[in-house]
Amino acid sequence: GENVEQHPSTLSVQEGDSAVIKCTYSDSASNYFPWYKQELGKRPQLIIDIRSNVGEKKDQRIAVTLNKTAKHFSLHITETQPEDSAVYFCAAQGQAGTALIFGKGTTLSVSS
Amino acid sequence: GAVVSQHPSWVICKSGTSVKIECRSLDFQATTMFWYRQFPKQSLMLMATSNEGSKATYEQGVEKDKFLINHASLTLSTLTVTSAHPEDSSFYICSARGTGTSNNEQFFGPGTRLTVL
Repeated sequence: GENVEQHPSTLSVQEGDSAVIKCTYSDSASNYFPWYKQELGKRPQLIIDIRSNVGEKKDQRIAVTLNKTAKHFSLHITETQPEDSAVYFCAAQGQAGTALIFGKGTTLSVSS
Repeated sequence: GAVVSQHPSWVICKSGTSVKIECRSLDFQATTMFWYRQFPKQSLMLMATSNEGSKATYEQGVEKDKFLINHASLTLSTLTVTSAHPEDSSFYICSARGTGTSNNEQFFGPGTRLTVL
């Protein structure tokens, strides 16, 4: 089955800096890669996603890149703000309708 | 649109009792629902996949006789933790995808915090 690795496990940046979180996946059939932000005790919130027919997607300060050949994808957050502090999870999904498999998460801390 | 609810939001029970958690899709029909478990400071681990009207498919290592899943309608799936023990204490989250949603996107419930004493 699918296995998703995520790095780093913790990331501390200064306000205004950029943050990058990287994930790799094992199943070459996976074709959907969402990123979630989770605050303590709450549900994961989708912040951006990318499908396998796209190499890059951007939404304001957030971008995701996908390299299908290398089976890795990354989340880029620019101009970080304290409210970006949270746990971020990457995930991968195979065929439509199958479950998401999550990475272990990255705790992002943005200090002002 | 695409709202998923869970009930209860938290529950405390004694060891040996059973607890039922409900997951509902409020404004769409969920053909498939997924149940995840999340221990403190860990990731979401898939427990099982349930399709309306059929038996759930459990992930390796998840006891199907302990975690009973029923998906009797297109808007409701239930997870029953039978004979709960302290090690079952966790955050249980469901997600759902429906016929009216995109092929990939899933919608998460708010989670249920289970504490077994």
